[in-house]
Amino acid sequence: DTAVSQTPKYLVTQMGNDKSIKCEQNLGHDTMYWYKQDSKKFLKIMFSYNNKELIINETVPNRFSPKSPDKAHLNLHINSLELGDSAVYFCASSQDQGGGRGLLWGANVLTFGAGSRLTVL
Amino acid sequence: QQPVQSPQAVILREGEDAVINCSSSKALYSVHWYRQKHGEAPIFLMILLKGGEQKGHDKISASFNEKKQQSSLYLTASQLSYSGTYFCGTEIYGQNFVFGPGTRLSVLP
Repeated sequence: DTAVSQTPKYLVTQMGNDKSIKCEQNLGHDTMYWYKQDSKKFLKIMFSYNNKELIINETVPNRFSPKSPDKAHLNLHINSLELGDSAVYFCASSQDQGGGRGLLWGANVLTFGAGSRLTVL
Repeated sequence: QQPVQSPQAVILREGEDAVINCSSSKALYSVHWYRQKHGEAPIFLMILLKGGEQKGHDKISASFNEKKQQSSLYLTASQLSYSGTYFCGTEIYGQNFVFGPGTRLSVLP
C-alpha cells in the first residue's frame, strides 16, 4: 500500500502542451509538497500546502499551478511547457510544517513519492 | 539559504568508511539526512535537533555540533547498498526547509 503515490511516472510531450501530475498520500499527513529535481540533482521546493492552504510558493513561473482539493491530494498543472521544464517532479508529504511553525518538533520529515519524469521535446 | 555539503563526490571500496559534512553560516533549527539511490525517490535517514546530538542506526550515524551549524554523516564499513546521493536538509527557525546540493557516494566491490 503506497504511502505517497504520484501519476504518471513518465510524461513525454511537446513544447507548448499542458500536462498534469497527480499526487495522493494515505499517511494522514497535513502538509504536502512539490519538489523539482533537475539534471544536476538539485532538489528545489516549488510549493507546499498545509491542510489545503498554500504556505510555500517559491519563485516558480505562473505556468505552474498547484491544486489541493483536500489534504490527501496535491496536483500540479503545467501550462505551455518549455524545454527547461524537463526534470523529475517529486511529490512529498510530512506530518506538519517545519521550522518551528508547526505544532510538533521536527514534524516535517518528508516521505516522497516515486517521482514523475517529465521530458519536453 | 542552502547549506554547503562536502565532499561533492566520494568513491569507496566495500568496507571503507566515509564522512559527509553539511554546514550553515547560521544556527539551525534542525538537520535532516536523506539518501537517494539512482532512479529512486529520496529516503529519510535521520533528523538531528539538539546541539551536541549524536544519532545512529546500524552503521550509519550522524552528529550535530554544539553551535548547531554543522552536521556530519558517518558511514562505517560501507556496503554496496550505500551507494547513492546523500542530501542534508536544513531549517533555520521560521524559514523554509532547504536541501543541500548532495554528495554522490559510490561503493565499489
